[in-house]
Amino acid sequence: EADIYQTPRYLVIGTGKKITLECSQTMGHDKMYWYQQDPGMELHLIHYSYGVNSTEKGDLSSESTVSRIRTEHFPLTLESARPSHTSQYLCASSPFDFGRGDEKLFFGSGTQLSVL
Amino acid sequence: GQQVMQIPQYQHVQEGEDFTTYCNSSTTLSNIQWYKQRPGGHPVFLIQLVKSGEVKKQKRLTFQFGEAKKNSSLHITATQTTDVGTYFCAGPTISAGGYNKLIFGAGTRLAVHP
Repeated sequence: EADIYQTPRYLVIGTGKKITLECSQTMGHDKMYWYQQDPGMELHLIHYSYGVNSTEKGDLSSESTVSRIRTEHFPLTLESARPSHTSQYLCASSPFDFGRGDEKLFFGSGTQLSVL
Repeated sequence: GQQVMQIPQYQHVQEGEDFTTYCNSSTTLSNIQWYKQRPGGHPVFLIQLVKSGEVKKQKRLTFQFGEAKKNSSLHITATQTTDVGTYFCAGPTISAGGYNKLIFGAGTRLAVHP
């Protein structure tokens, strides 16, 4: 079973608050991802990282930011939460594929964010 | 950019009926992966197909990769209530930074009525 952890599991917060969603993995994976998903809907890639100090924006525009200072840690921050940010945020990791494109993603349990 | 399209979006079946979901890519894929997400859960890796025309089976699940490596299917024989969930296909594409990243289809949500 994958060792990738997300906290908190649920977060209810007021508009305008700054929040950080935590994601950590203990598998030594180089690649990490953040996906946004509404219930039962498709997965939208919002951020990814290929290693320490390497981050790129995903396909879905997001007001969130990420950092990758340590291999195992990939937090996502929203400076000012709004109701439109209400969604589930899934973190994932995979080992480096050396250009093969065959990496298998391990997902965390997700953070369900509700902004009031 | 590259797209991965999946149909149908929803499928309701009676327990015991078969189920198939289809995945189509706008470009040739080096491989395709399938994931299952149970209601309230997170996606879990099921399988990866790499070779043209490849067929793999996992108990009642049969996965196929097309000859042109642009389409794939997942077929479930005699569905059970434990099969309920959303099935996603995913294929690699090249990011702006030159690395591989996975693009997911929109998923097929399967409901099984007992």
